Amino acid sequence: QLVLTQSPSASASLGASVKLTCTLTSGHSSYAIAWHQQQPEKGPRYLMMLNSDGSHNKGDGIPDRFSGSSSGAERYLTISSLHSEDEADYYCQTWGTGIWVFGGGTKLTVL
Amino acid sequence: EVQVVESGGGLVQPGGSLRLSCAASGFTFSSYSMNWVRQAPGKGLEWVSYINGSSDIIFYADSVQGRFTISRDNAKNSLYLQMNSLSAEDTAVYYCAREYYDVLTGYASFDYWGQGTLVTVSS
Repeated sequence: QLVLTQSPSASASLGASVKLTCTLTSGHSSYAIAWHQQQPEKGPRYLMMLNSDGSHNKGDGIPDRFSGSSSGAERYLTISSLHSEDEADYYCQTWGTGIWVFGGGTKLTVL
Repeated sequence: EVQVVESGGGLVQPGGSLRLSCAASGFTFSSYSMNWVRQAPGKGLEWVSYINGSSDIIFYADSVQGRFTISRDNAKNSLYLQMNSLSAEDTAVYYCAREYYDVLTGYASFDYWGQGTLVTVSS
């Protein structure tokens, strides 16, 4: 079964960097995933598609501060030079034929 | 500018029906597959349904199969979700999302989302 696992919460200081993790279930470690950001009381925003080799395509207008990387079954979203507006929920998402799956989301707090 | 705007949410009694709409603009609507994604209060995102540009490929999540029907009208640049036999578990904000197919990876995601419309199922 295709499942994505995310830590429920993370925190980092203003101006610092943070690395969020999304883990694919075994047997699906080659899957690409997408990252989406959801700021409070807003609809989600597409950040990027991230391949198993770490290559990624970012969405329109996504700052260079957002980057992705991969290692085995883990997919990472790194946000550098944290801004207050980066405080949000971050969801990873993947796809199989006829099914789109989301991770449970990570709530990022910017201290 | 790409925009998708949902409407039609509201309060409905258990067992009732509701039809959501999504108005699209800023892109050639008929060329894109579309999706509905929902989010229960305080919970994460859950994909609900998919429809391709010509309406001949449709998928549903198991949780709504047989109760919800997705459709589109390309002449009106509109996407719809007919929801029947609603229960409290269907209470959520429903988002319309444009499908994005990434040529690099061969995977699909959602590149533009609306602000959502709230559906509350309660007596």
